[in-house]
Amino acid sequence: ETGVTQTPRHLVMGMTNKKSLKCEQHLGHNAMYWYKQSAKKPLELMFVYNFKEQTENNSVPSRFSPECPNSSHLFLHLHTLQPEDSALYLCASSQDRDRVSQPQHFGDGTRLSIL
Amino acid sequence: EDQVTQSPEALRLQEGESSSLNCSYTVSGLRGLFWYRQDPGKGPEFLFTLYSAGEEKEKERLKATLTKKESFLHITAPKPEDSATYLCAVGSGFQKLVFGTGTRLLVSP
Repeated sequence: ETGVTQTPRHLVMGMTNKKSLKCEQHLGHNAMYWYKQSAKKPLELMFVYNFKEQTENNSVPSRFSPECPNSSHLFLHLHTLQPEDSALYLCASSQDRDRVSQPQHFGDGTRLSIL
Repeated sequence: EDQVTQSPEALRLQEGESSSLNCSYTVSGLRGLFWYRQDPGKGPEFLFTLYSAGEEKEKERLKATLTKKESFLHITAPKPEDSATYLCAVGSGFQKLVFGTGTRLLVSP
């Protein structure tokens, strides 16, 4: 496989469920990102990992918990979500978080619906 | 505060009808301006990076240009398969990508 792969593509969960989103990149990059995309709003950066270390948490509620076991894998653990958390969650990777002049490459996202 | 504004919000063209999309920005130390294409149900697909005023990049029917305050994505003789949302983002001196809300392009046969 090439590029950035996200699973699952679609997820429906109740407010009391616990689930995880998975992202894997095959580009040899060292930085990985989670974004939230809602209708008619710009992409919202949630978390940044650089060389497996979390470098940014953009005031994200604690019901979202990221995990980055290595530079190729990124998870987003979800628990006790709210209806307003329904959105498309995108994972991206880039060469290095500090080399912002290099483009980020995105997966196709997980469409999350909270009942 | 870094900011990106894209216009128009939506654009409808006939096949073959050329036009331009606009991306205006204010940023602390531009590290690059990026154009992405996003199809429904997919993630953004990287198209171009522009680094300095006067720079131009081309790919098939798309041409991106950059000035000190804005970028244009020119679409020449578009085809229905060019229909998508086009996103603009700037890399700032704060090591962040700031995105606009996108332009939804629909090209009718």
